[in-house]
Amino acid sequence: DGGITQSPKYLFRKEGQNVTLSCEQNLNHDAMYWYRQDPGQGLRLIYYSQIVNDFQKGDIAEGYSVSREKKESFPLTVTSAQKNPTAFYLCASSPTGTSGLLSYNEQFFGPGTRLTVL
Amino acid sequence: GQQVMQIPQYQHVQEGEDFTTYCNSSTTLSNIQWYKQRPGGHPVFLIQLVKSGEVKKQKRLTFQFGEAKKNSSLHITATQTTDVGTYFCAGTNQAGTALIFGKGTTLSVSS
Repeated sequence: DGGITQSPKYLFRKEGQNVTLSCEQNLNHDAMYWYRQDPGQGLRLIYYSQIVNDFQKGDIAEGYSVSREKKESFPLTVTSAQKNPTAFYLCASSPTGTSGLLSYNEQFFGPGTRLTVL
Repeated sequence: GQQVMQIPQYQHVQEGEDFTTYCNSSTTLSNIQWYKQRPGGHPVFLIQLVKSGEVKKQKRLTFQFGEAKKNSSLHITATQTTDVGTYFCAGTNQAGTALIFGKGTTLSVSS
């Protein structure tokens, strides 16, 4: 059963602690993305990766870090430097199409992780 | 920076009424994608438009891409309770490497 998994579904952390959110895909997609969703704000891009061992900052990368050591995995670390980390985090992946532009391909989203920092 | 704006933010309709959400970009878009997110769920791809003036239909849903490729719309005919959710449009950034999402239109339907 192919797809994207994110774990855990709900996560609670104390202020000042780093936390790592998991994202795994078995769709053999090259590109992976992390979004943050807040009420009324839509989806904002945190980081994205087009290929293993390479990633780029999105619009709101401050306070976050990522790694892409394997094609299947793209974990996101929310650091203590992130001022307002409580949010719904969505991971997505997409294939590389013939156009060569990854954004021409549909994105497949995981179920999301709802992070609450107390 | 490049922005994709969506209106209205919220829309409530009676079942059977039509619904339209509009998406506007500050720059010309290479393509536009539409996603639907059910309450408590994650976004699911609906469709992609690439050509100027393109119109695509999926059952009761009609998607349009403007002639200037700076706006798009999603129209639902005779809404049903299953149409409830948030509809997002997304356009390609100028580097062609990522999508920029609008803030979405949340549709509620009462029977």
